[in-house]
Amino acid sequence: DTEVTQTPKHLVMGMTNKKSLKCEQHMGHRAMYWYKQKAKKPPELMFVYSYEKLSINESVPSRFSPECPNSSLLNLHLHALQPEDSALYLCASSQGLAGVGEQYFGPGTRLTVT
Amino acid sequence: GESVGLHLPTLSVQEGDNSIINCAYSNSASDYFIWYKQESGKGPQFIIDIRSNMDKRQGQRVTVLLNKTVKHLSLQIAATQPGDSAVYFCAENMYSGGGADGLTFGKGTHLIIQP
Repeated sequence: DTEVTQTPKHLVMGMTNKKSLKCEQHMGHRAMYWYKQKAKKPPELMFVYSYEKLSINESVPSRFSPECPNSSLLNLHLHALQPEDSALYLCASSQGLAGVGEQYFGPGTRLTVT
Repeated sequence: GESVGLHLPTLSVQEGDNSIINCAYSNSASDYFIWYKQESGKGPQFIIDIRSNMDKRQGQRVTVLLNKTVKHLSLQIAATQPGDSAVYFCAENMYSGGGADGLTFGKGTHLIIQP
């Protein structure tokens, strides 16, 4: 199984809502990532979890809160978002070993903030 | 700032021809490079990778060339097919010694296949 799954596929939320994005992989990977991709732009790194610990936070606003409950799951909790946060949110995973970089991406969650 | 970039936003080629997509990077410490393909509505899909101790790597119908002297990366696709239509991103991973690292993506090239 070389698949990263993400739910939901689409999400519309108001600026006062609280919602969560979910990501799951069963490849035994120990590193998981969140990226944000705006239309016609490349993905931009948000967070890296390595062995279930947050290792990189690319200065992401606190209205985005990541969580890694176990080695297969990654969540992104959303609260008080702004319309400019509307984007495709991509989850990825990799083996997590030092120097091994290939990342497998999920299909993404298309988020619209109204 | 962004350390990986692409020269052309759109590349149009005839079906059956070879395609060459270019990428320039600025961080000479980068040690690992990847090409991804992203189709509309999907996540990036791994195509091929290359480490900084190599200058060429071949896959099925694809070849990646790395020129560290001028910090240039290219992806060659042989006998381009309609299914190759997508946006292609190069990405770099600078191994920081801390384990998993995120990727820095270039701007992307939209490859259009003409029948």
